[in-house]
Amino acid sequence: GAGVSQSPSNKVTEKGKDVELRCDPISGHTALYWYRQSLGQGLEFLIYFQGNSAPDKSGLPSDRFSAERTGGSVSTLTIQRTQQEDSAVYLCASSLYVAGNTEAFFGQGTRLTVV
Amino acid sequence: KQEVTQIPAALSVPEGENLVLNCSFTDSAIYNLQWFRQDPGKGLTSLLLIQSSQREQTSGRLNASLDKSSGRSTLYIAASQPGDSATYLCAAEAGSYQLTFGKGTKLSVIP
Repeated sequence: GAGVSQSPSNKVTEKGKDVELRCDPISGHTALYWYRQSLGQGLEFLIYFQGNSAPDKSGLPSDRFSAERTGGSVSTLTIQRTQQEDSAVYLCASSLYVAGNTEAFFGQGTRLTVV
Repeated sequence: KQEVTQIPAALSVPEGENLVLNCSFTDSAIYNLQWFRQDPGKGLTSLLLIQSSQREQTSGRLNASLDKSSGRSTLYIAASQPGDSATYLCAAEAGSYQLTFGKGTKLSVIP
């Protein structure tokens, strides 16, 4: 696609429910990233994919968070048993990540509200 | 651990003024430095990417410089316009593919 696409754009869920956030990267981009932006906070790294592999999951806040990527393309971030502190904007980015070209392009984000 | 700081946190200028946004980072062994713009309720728009071997990049009225030795980058905006009002974020990549972001500078350009 022309840009990074995320869905849904907004999600309101009840505490304790599971949610899935989707990211469709720019076609041909091998690297995919998830970040979280909480109110008044900076962007927090969650996880990185190179192809379908996630070499670094160290940013995931707890074992309630998981992510996968299939076909080297679409990625889903799953949050189980959501808590109010999970409320944030979840941003996905992709890049070619080849020598000399590591520019990251971001989607519009999914605003998650846990009530 | 890389830390990125942006000063000032907020800036208000009259239309037409030239301005400079500052970004500093603690680990000078960065791979690249990227500047983004974020409008309220929106995602991030990439403005400029400076690779570690470069000293500056230009796009239209924007010019970004990088001084690795001093751990600083600046974003220069010429002839500011109300449409430039947004939050500007810098992010450093230290070769670990992970971007470390500053908290941003919120710019308001007053007509």
